[in-house]
Amino acid sequence: ETGVTQSPTHLIKTRGQQVTLRCSSQSGHNTVSWYQQALGQGPQFIFQYYREEENGRGNFPPRFSGLQFPNYSSELNVNALELDDSALYLCASSDGGYQETQYFGPGTRLLVL
Amino acid sequence: TQLLEQSPQFLSIQEGENLTVYCNSSSVFSSLQWYRQEPGEGPVLLVTVVTGGEVKKLKRLTFQFGDARKDSSLHITAAQPGDTGLYLCAGESITDKLIFGTGTRLQVFP
Repeated sequence: ETGVTQSPTHLIKTRGQQVTLRCSSQSGHNTVSWYQQALGQGPQFIFQYYREEENGRGNFPPRFSGLQFPNYSSELNVNALELDDSALYLCASSDGGYQETQYFGPGTRLLVL
Repeated sequence: TQLLEQSPQFLSIQEGENLTVYCNSSSVFSSLQWYRQEPGEGPVLLVTVVTGGEVKKLKRLTFQFGDARKDSSLHITAAQPGDTGLYLCAGESITDKLIFGTGTRLQVFP
């Protein structure tokens, strides 16, 4: 059984640029959630995708968008990057939405200069 | 807005000591989870508590859910260097998404 993987592991961008982060869910899981974890803080929920549809969103602006593919892998896109977007971006997969245990990937560390 | 506050924020102790981490909220949660996160990795689920007053034990770790389901605690007996990490509580909100606490960074020295 393959766990949750994320790419890239690290990324450096400049303010105003756009970034795409990728997540491959654990085998058999149809739900992916994305979180932003600023340094020294707990993760904050961005949004969740269930069977290719958005299934809930946290308090993040529209420049944070996502996508889930038929194989249940997912992308997180962030446009017009700001310095405060520097954080660890985590994805978590589960089988069936919020009620099920979420398994986290190792994260992508994004630095915006 | 549902918030989870953890205390202490940082904890630095010697191997063999006991410690307790607290997770408090003014809101009721239908369930509460505890995670441990190590550097360069995502959080790993330790336990889920569902019933008010519930106590769960995982080897040297004891988790308790408050009677009113607004708070929780994690007690570690005889801490070991391998317990070092960031401990996070997370509650299932009224909209079913996970709300994470502020985190407690534990360092156990040999």
